[in-house]
Formats: sequence, C-alpha cells, structure tokens
Amino acid sequence: NAGVTQTPKFQVLKTGQSMTLQCAQDMNHNSMYWYRQDPGMGLRLIYYSASEGTTDKGEVPNGYNVSRLNKREFSLRLESAAPSQTSVYFCASSAGQGEGNQPQHFGDGTRLSIL
Amino acid sequence: ILNVEQSPQSLHVQEGDSTNFTCSFPSSNFYALHWYRWETAKSPEALFVMTLNGDEKKKGRISATLNTKEGYSYLYIKGSQPEDSATYLCAFGDFYNFNKFYFGSGTKLNVKP
Repeated sequence: NAGVTQTPKFQVLKTGQSMTLQCAQDMNHNSMYWYRQDPGMGLRLIYYSASEGTTDKGEVPNGYNVSRLNKREFSLRLESAAPSQTSVYFCASSAGQGEGNQPQHFGDGTRLSIL
Repeated sequence: ILNVEQSPQSLHVQEGDSTNFTCSFPSSNFYALHWYRWETAKSPEALFVMTLNGDEKKKGRISATLNTKEGYSYLYIKGSQPEDSATYLCAFGDFYNFNKFYFGSGTKLNVKP
C-alpha cells in the first residue's frame, strides 16, 4: 500500500535554482494538496486541487506553481528558489471533491534546503 | 487567514495518566474539524473527522468532542502509553472554502514510562 508518494525526500538547492517536487497517490482520490511545515508553525496550505484539471491557491502560494498532471499526480514547482522557501513540504490527498468531511492522507514529506 | 490555536504547546505525562488538550477555532463559518496524530519521522495520520456540533468520536483510548458554537474541540487520551507520544494536530475547515484547511501548530505529547 503505497498511499501518497513524494519524491525526492531531501534536496539542497542554491538560491535562484528551480525544481519540481513530485507527488503521486494510488487511492483514486480526487483532491490533492501541498503544504509546507516550518518550525513552530502548523501546516500551511500552498495550493490544492479539488479535481483533475483544477488548481487553486491556498494560504501561502507566492513563489510556487502547481500542475495536476492527472488524477494521480500533483506537482509543486519552485521557479526561482529563495532561502525563505527552506521548509518541509507535504503532499496530501483526500477522497471526495473538497467536501471537507474526508480525512487527508499525507506523504512522508520532502525536506528542502535553499542556500 | 484564520487562526487555529492549540494548547498546550507541549505536555509531559507519566504512563497511565489521562490527559486532554484543546483546539480553538473561529466559531463562524465552521465546516469540519480534523484531528491528526503525527509521530516523529512519520507523516500525519487522521484520527477523527468531526462535522456536527456536539459530535463525540472515539478510537480506542482516544476520544474527541466538538463545540462549534463556542469554537473549540477537546482531545482526550485515557491511560496514556509511551506509544501515544506524538504531536496532535487539529485542522479547521472553512464553510466557504471546503478545501482550505487551517492547521494549528500542534500539541506535542511525551509519555514517560
């Protein structure tokens, strides 16, 4: 049971570099999410996708872009990485189309450091 | 941006103690409240999804209650065990933005044998 798979698990970037974080789920879930987690703060929503073909901004979208490639995959792109984007990134998915009454299933996270 | 607060930030208890912690959220525009358990080096796992005022949920020794009118939820652990050591997160779902869940910063529980 893979659930939600994130790649890579760790990455170090230099300021200004770009990269894409990958996320795939095998539970046939409609909704997918990207969060960042910083020390002393809760998980903050970056972007979400309620269904294939749709994406919307969350609480902290600046500096990020997303693609819902198909129902399984939801990628997060940093076009020009900044030190403020050093964080642990979590992808999650849930059944339904954003009704809110379905729990979210999380990946193991990607630890990203930007120098 | 909505404010979801959890208290206390951390808690140290002895094995066998019962404990509880609080999640406070805006009482208006309530849609759903989620509780998650997050063990070190793992990813958050869902404990409860609560949608109705007065909801009470139970899973083994862990239970939760919900008061949407006053904007709080309690999580109780009866007879804490070392394996209960984890961070417990709550997440508030906004009625006008079903997909936007606002997480508290969590309560970190350490249960000493």
